[in-house]
Amino acid sequence: EEQLVQSGAELKKPGESLNISCKGFGYNFRYNWIGWVRQMPGRGLEWMGLIYPDDSDARYSPSFQGQVTISADQSTNTAYLHWSSLRASDTGVYYCAKHHRGPQMSDWFDLWGQGTPVTVSS
Amino acid sequence: DTVMTQSPDSLAVSLGERATINCKASQSVLYSPSNMNYLAWYQQKPGQPPKLLIYWASTRESGVPDRFSGSGSGTDFTLTIGNLQTEDVAVYYCQQYFTIPHSFGQGTKLEIK
Repeated sequence: EEQLVQSGAELKKPGESLNISCKGFGYNFRYNWIGWVRQMPGRGLEWMGLIYPDDSDARYSPSFQGQVTISADQSTNTAYLHWSSLRASDTGVYYCAKHHRGPQMSDWFDLWGQGTPVTVSS
Repeated sequence: DTVMTQSPDSLAVSLGERATINCKASQSVLYSPSNMNYLAWYQQKPGQPPKLLIYWASTRESGVPDRFSGSGSGTDFTLTIGNLQTEDVAVYYCQQYFTIPHSFGQGTKLEIK
């Protein structure tokens, strides 16, 4: 069974760094684009970016470019979302999701992780 | 960026009736050589991740009831939910996957009247 399992909830202070993770099971992780989506409290879905684990080709939304870093480790079937300096406005739930058609960048999300809540507060 | 605008922001429909949600893209998401529209619909229930309902604007994902249907082309799309059930209470999002960033609409909250 295909699954994406995300790391647990995080409580951090402004200025701290953070990595959250998303591990894929039951499909060929290396050859499927995987993306990150933000959902701020009580708000809608925001597309952040994608990565192709095979060659680590990453694409970002202009809204998130330079604010976060998306990476992937083929050896552990894990994708990461990294912040070097968190802000209170980064508070939200972060979802990872995989594309359906593997190498196709223009594709829909057919499988989602359970979400990682991130709270940034002093 | 392609901006996706849904209407209405919320709606209340009686059980057994039909709900219609609209999604408008600021640029066409139709790829003319294949005549495919790069548009998906998702359902999100409280406390859960989104769930894929429809892709290619009108193709239902496996396991999705046939009460859910998608239509439209180019810049204007519609999600129709027929014979509304209590389990359909959720927020619905459209997403274009034609150009980066693969933007979502702002969501439409569906409730029972």
